[in-house]
Amino acid sequence: RKEVEQDPGPFNVPEGATVAFNCTYSNSASQSFFWYRQDCRKEPKLLMSVYSSGNEDGRFTAQLNRASQYISLLIRDSKLSDSATYLCVGRGNTPLVFGKGTRLSVIA
Amino acid sequence: DAGVTQSPTHLIKTRGQQVTLRCSPKSGHDTVSWYQQALGQGPQFIFQYYEEEERQRGNFPDRFSGHQFPNYSSELNVNALLLGDSALYLCASRTGPVAGELFFGEGSRLTVL
Repeated sequence: RKEVEQDPGPFNVPEGATVAFNCTYSNSASQSFFWYRQDCRKEPKLLMSVYSSGNEDGRFTAQLNRASQYISLLIRDSKLSDSATYLCVGRGNTPLVFGKGTRLSVIA
Repeated sequence: DAGVTQSPTHLIKTRGQQVTLRCSPKSGHDTVSWYQQALGQGPQFIFQYYEEEERQRGNFPDRFSGHQFPNYSSELNVNALLLGDSALYLCASRTGPVAGELFFGEGSRLTVL
């Protein structure tokens, strides 16, 4: 089983929709989690860290459920510019472990 | 303030050849990590350099080697290239080997024919 697993999508949603991605992890020693965004043929960029208490950054909300070992990302009021691949990332005592990514296409 | 810079951006090699990729970390960063990202996959950790030493290594064969220079820049070398080595090679830097946000360069896209 992969350390970090995501549904690859693609998720095709209309502008203004709310979309949620889930990610599961298998290594209970993972201490920190992040969501990275990667545009087509570009480098990954940190979108937000994920805290157990849940955290929000504008239209983006991240949640961590340690008991069930999953992480979620909610995007409200989707914009065309949100179209990208979203990578779920975990970190324990080893360097970052990336999921394969979930591809989102926001359609006008 | 320059971010992480990598060179070359694209290159084509044939099986059995050797390649060297270069990375300059973001200003103020002293730790460099290399990742391999195959098409449709997430980045896979190759190794990390700090204080000119390889500190951690992922599940990659010895054909993959690296170096870090006193100015914190780094090289990734791959010997005896295989078709499966075709990928985007990403360099990332941070301050210190453990904590801090990881900043990625735009990558070097290697095609092995």
